[in-house]
Amino acid sequence: EVQLVESGGGLVQPGGSLRLSCAASGFTFSSYWMSWVRQAPGKGLEWVANIKQDGSEKYYVDSVKGRFTISRDNAKNSLYLQMNSLRAEDTAVYYCAREGYSGSYYYWGQGTLVTVSS
Amino acid sequence: SYVLTQPPSVSVAPGQTARITCGGNNIGSKSVHWYQQKPGQAPVLVVYDDSDRPSGIPERFSGSNSGNTATLTISRVEAGDEADYYCQVWDSSSDPVVFGGGTKLTVL
Repeated sequence: EVQLVESGGGLVQPGGSLRLSCAASGFTFSSYWMSWVRQAPGKGLEWVANIKQDGSEKYYVDSVKGRFTISRDNAKNSLYLQMNSLRAEDTAVYYCAREGYSGSYYYWGQGTLVTVSS
Repeated sequence: SYVLTQPPSVSVAPGQTARITCGGNNIGSKSVHWYQQKPGQAPVLVVYDDSDRPSGIPERFSGSNSGNTATLTISRVEAGDEADYYCQVWDSSSDPVVFGGGTKLTVL
């Protein structure tokens, strides 16, 4: 059974940092692109970043470029999102998701809440 | 970056057909995916590649895509279909993954 379990969310002050993790199991992690998708309270889904199987390609939404870094450790079946210089508008539930063919997302984690507030 | 436009809300009576649109420039040339999200839950893929259904998704859910509009059709709507629905594409421009703004489906 495919499982994606996020962790690392919490309350952080503006300008602070946080590192999210996503533990994957039930599939060959190193064979798939992986993404982070977020959802601000009461708002829609927003893609944040994705990373190629071997980590050689990474893409980010403009609003997080230069502040967030996506990475993965295939030996540990884990995906990460390092978030620096956090802003109030980064407050959201962050989901880790596995990309399928044509870029769809069949598997999602349960999400982890990040709250940026003083 | 590529923009997907969805109506904020759609209302339908039980047993009727709901149609949720997703507009985008020449979206017919892209593969469109649709997600259902209920409050407090992660999204669920209900249609991928314009019109295919993942296993376990009822045949009542179908999709089409042509020109500048993709459509998710839900036949014989049930109370349990009440949720937010999002379209999504992969795009080769600056943001490779794009979601529509979402449509709240209300079952009257």
